[in-house]
Amino acid sequence: NAGVTQTPKFRILKIGQSMTLQCTQDMNHNYMYWYRQDPGMGLKLIYYSVGAGITDKGEVPNGYNVSRSTTEDFPLRLELAAPSQTSVYFCASIHSGLRSLGGQFFGPGTRLTVL
Amino acid sequence: GNSVTQMEGPVTLSEEAFLTINCTYTATGYPSLFWYVQYPGEGLQLLLKATKADDKGSNKGFEATYRKETTSFHLEKGSVQVSDSAVYFCALGPAQGGSEKLVFGKGTKLTVNP
Repeated sequence: NAGVTQTPKFRILKIGQSMTLQCTQDMNHNYMYWYRQDPGMGLKLIYYSVGAGITDKGEVPNGYNVSRSTTEDFPLRLELAAPSQTSVYFCASIHSGLRSLGGQFFGPGTRLTVL
Repeated sequence: GNSVTQMEGPVTLSEEAFLTINCTYTATGYPSLFWYVQYPGEGLQLLLKATKADDKGSNKGFEATYRKETTSFHLEKGSVQVSDSAVYFCALGPAQGGSEKLVFGKGTKLTVNP
């Protein structure tokens, strides 16, 4: 299993540009998450999904959109990039219920800079 | 709402020193508690967990005990190594050990020098 994969690893955007951060997992997990990690601020939940076709807002959803058309993929869309979105973005997944006891599985992250 | 407070970092230790990273929480009911570790350039990995009061989680020489009376889950290791250099996150989850919805602390960066 590759686990949770994210692309790209790094990206620099100009203000107002848009982009999609890709996330794929091959563990057949039903729950998937997007977090952002700002220096000294820990992880903040942006959006999450409990299964294909179902998404919900987390703590900091403004400026982002998500979709979940398949179990494996959970892309995060930035429509009008702003400097405040400079951060490291992590995708994570888990299978709900008893199998969640092993904790969330995280991807390696995407480092995004908006100038 | 639920929250987690970790000691401020960074923490710098010499190899073989004793490590404590403090974590306290605020929650209703009986949450589950976790420690995650993030090595440089990588995503977070689960280090250990505890699902009820007085449980002790342990892994790779690290330990943490769920203390309901002090609402704490401090991380300890008796003798750190250079390879333990990482950022450590305390997290809180639903009761009974589920990880579907986690609240993370701000993280504590540990550097271990040879």
